Amino acid sequence: EIVMTQSPATLSVSPGERATLSCRVSQSVNSNLAWYQHKPGQAPRLLIYGASTRATGIPIRFSGSGSGTEFTLTISSLQSEDFAVYYCQQYSNWPSFTFGQGTKLEIK
Amino acid sequence: QVQLVESGGGVVQPGRSLRLSCAASGFSFSSYAMHWVRQAPGKGLEWVAIISFDGTTKYADSMKGRFTISRDNSKNTLYLQMNNLRPEDTAVFYCARTLGIPDYFDYWGQGTLVTVSS
Repeated sequence: EIVMTQSPATLSVSPGERATLSCRVSQSVNSNLAWYQHKPGQAPRLLIYGASTRATGIPIRFSGSGSGTEFTLTISSLQSEDFAVYYCQQYSNWPSFTFGQGTKLEIK
Repeated sequence: QVQLVESGGGVVQPGRSLRLSCAASGFSFSSYAMHWVRQAPGKGLEWVAIISFDGTTKYADSMKGRFTISRDNSKNTLYLQMNNLRPEDTAVFYCARTLGIPDYFDYWGQGTLVTVSS
């Protein structure tokens, strides 16, 4: 069973600053990793797939990197609407679709 | 535009059943694999089940035997039949789609809340 570990659990950042979120996977998933943004009461939103490809309509301040077992989501200059919970998800190991436990990005 | 709208949630007693629906529009429903994903209060996202475009189904181990996913392509609707519900099944249930199997979830619904309580 693949285990996904996101860090930190909570990240406090000021608007305009950079945020770096980490996702570690217990075995290689190559580049089969996605990132989602989730706000309370809303549908989760796909940000990144293939580890580094932005989904349609996602601002360029969101970027993803990594492969294998170590991945990073970077938000270059935080806007007020970016404060949310972020999840990584692997789609390499079928039939399991595994999510990380989430990183809560909060205003400092 | 792509829309996924869940319904059927509510308060149900332990041991009872509930059926959730997800109405899809704005895309070729029959061409996509469809999923249910849930989020318990204060917890993260947990994948529940998938049904492929040809009707093949898979379940998370903890849901196997109690939950049944199905689809009606003529109605563009996804279902989740949940039996023998437990308090730990309390969660917001989301439907989501993937183009391939396995794949990433490119669209999600807003979710429907299921509360299992006596």
